[in-house]
Amino acid sequence: NAGVTQTPKFQVLKTGQSMTLQCAQDMNHNSMYWYRQDPGMGLRLIYYSASEGTTDKGEVPNGYNVSRLNKREFSLRLESAAPSQTSVYFCASSEILTGHGNTEAFFGQGTRLTVV
Amino acid sequence: QKEVEQNSGPLSVPEGAIASLNCTYSDRGSQSFFWYRQYSGKSPELIMSIYSNGDKEDGRFTAQLNKASQYVSLLIRDSQPSDSATYLCAVKHTNAGKSTFGDGTTLTVKP
Repeated sequence: NAGVTQTPKFQVLKTGQSMTLQCAQDMNHNSMYWYRQDPGMGLRLIYYSASEGTTDKGEVPNGYNVSRLNKREFSLRLESAAPSQTSVYFCASSEILTGHGNTEAFFGQGTRLTVV
Repeated sequence: QKEVEQNSGPLSVPEGAIASLNCTYSDRGSQSFFWYRQYSGKSPELIMSIYSNGDKEDGRFTAQLNKASQYVSLLIRDSQPSDSATYLCAVKHTNAGKSTFGDGTTLTVKP
């Protein structure tokens, strides 16, 4: 099915471990994003990629790195996980939609990460 | 002051009533405004966007924008229990830039 696919859906890490969250979209979108969502809060932008080969920091980039591997894939890496990184992570992509402009209209199903 | 603020919830309305969700933003240069619906445990889904002052209607949903007052709202007419969700307001400074989200307002529609 077309859309944004994130893996894994759930993950438990120990403090100090590293991991990479994978995201792929098959809609040929240029822009991709990584957000985190803490309980009772909205989405906070970690990193985004306006196009293949470019990445930029968002609101909360500390402790994370990203790679825009190609136009389809945008991965998020936690080098040394901390309990403060326990959250739900969403990947999104965007295009210019008729009547909507350029917006993050397509979200993955989320990754629920717990760091103990 | 947060860049995007939404009225604190939770908001509860009876079935068939009008639900009113409000959002204010601090960046006067913001260009694009969006409403997302997020069911519990699910990812956000885009339901409305608005770019010009005034009202924009889509079915039971109406988005209202007042740039002078830096205010955007979402009205849901004939509210249904299936509308029970958290509604996120998002704002873009430019049409091609990244969005800033509010913390969301949780709406419960009671049968």
